[in-house]
Amino acid sequence: SSELTQPPSVSVSPGQTASITCSGDKLGDEYVCWYQQKPGQSPVLVIYQDSKRPSGIPERFSGSNSGNTATLTISGTQAMDEADYYCQAWDSRTEVFGGGTKLTVL
Amino acid sequence: EVLLVESGGTVVQPGGSLRLSCAASGFTFHDHTMHWVRQAPGKGLEWVSRISWDGSATYYADSVKGRFTISRDNSKNSLYLQMKSVTAEDTALYYCAKDPRLGYLDYWGQGTLVTVSP
Repeated sequence: SSELTQPPSVSVSPGQTASITCSGDKLGDEYVCWYQQKPGQSPVLVIYQDSKRPSGIPERFSGSNSGNTATLTISGTQAMDEADYYCQAWDSRTEVFGGGTKLTVL
Repeated sequence: EVLLVESGGTVVQPGGSLRLSCAASGFTFHDHTMHWVRQAPGKGLEWVSRISWDGSATYYADSVKGRFTISRDNSKNSLYLQMKSVTAEDTALYYCAKDPRLGYLDYWGQGTLVTVSP
């Protein structure tokens, strides 16, 4: 995985579904994970191995990965979900992060 | 409780060197791959380097290859990043993070700030 592309920003109304995409060549052939980062805080893993949630992450966070695109979906988005989100993929040698997406809940 | 505590960040002149440390606790350190990730002010995350559980395999981003060296001391539950020939582009908050050998970073430290300035 050499480069991952994310939209710079996504806006969603409270209670609605937010989708954040991550695109890369043959990305579906790799595992993708997602991190949430709020201002002044360290990143937090919210999705790993495409669609698994770590313990403590709400069920409203889900992920998928197929073809050239991975997607983070937040169902019933809450104000507390407003943050930057980064996708990450890895191969046997290096990791790569997407450029990040700022999710605004308004 | 998993804890990763970075230290060593400081103001350094261009061309200078410094070593970052990360003290780990709350998990079996020698069972995990470890990473350094950095974030320049107001920018996104950039992966820097990775080291295998036993230190036998190391990998670097092209931007730091040949200048930075990752290492670990499993007897001290510690991770290190030796940085040399630093430039302004190395100014960033440096995070250490643990990886259960599956390619994702499940815990991150709070970071240590490196500022490269004359």
